[in-house]
Amino acid sequence: AQSVAQPEDQVNVAEGNPLTVKCTYSVSGNPYLFWYVQYPNRGLQFLLKYITGDNLVKGSYGFEAEFNKSQTSFHLKKPSALVSDSALYFCAVRDVAGGYNKLIFGAGTRLAVHP
Amino acid sequence: DAMVIQNPRYQVTQFGKPVTLSCSQTLNHNVMYWYQQKSSQAPKLLFHYYDKDFNNEADTPDNFQSRRPNTSFCFLDIRSPGLGDAAMYLCATEPGLAGETQYFGPGTRLLVL
Repeated sequence: AQSVAQPEDQVNVAEGNPLTVKCTYSVSGNPYLFWYVQYPNRGLQFLLKYITGDNLVKGSYGFEAEFNKSQTSFHLKKPSALVSDSALYFCAVRDVAGGYNKLIFGAGTRLAVHP
Repeated sequence: DAMVIQNPRYQVTQFGKPVTLSCSQTLNHNVMYWYQQKSSQAPKLLFHYYDKDFNNEADTPDNFQSRRPNTSFCFLDIRSPGLGDAAMYLCATEPGLAGETQYFGPGTRLLVL
């Protein structure tokens, strides 16, 4: 069965410092991997995805993620954090079993960027 | 240029009083999803439509029903809301091709009194 793990409930980082939000996955075949961000009382906003190709994926708002097949990881990164990046981040993997596309989400990681 | 629209953004209902949440999309996507999200947890898939084909998750309570009268609109009906149904309800759409992105609406926060 497909699964996603986000090992950190919360990540704290100072503004201007690099940030990393971790994600590992388990799939039977090749993964489709996604990162979403959620601000308070809002829906999920798509940040980036990995389907195939270059292992380093660039997304919205300066975020990027690196697909590492040997470590089954897809960590989200940003070189310089902003206070406005503080939000809830979800990693997700695509489950295509049964012919339907179903997103399986991690539990989420709350990012707090301090001034 | 909103793509996935949910109305209302906040809904208050009474225990046991039926309530309907609505979702519309301007993307002409084949697939529409309804998720339930409680207190910053991961969204939980309730059901989805691929065109007119309805797919219910095995653990979705019978209290939750859905309608999709056309491509653009999808409704979530909660027949007899309980206190445990208070949550954020998220609608999402996607084209329906492998590897495509799901796009989420802003959500409707349901409060049950």
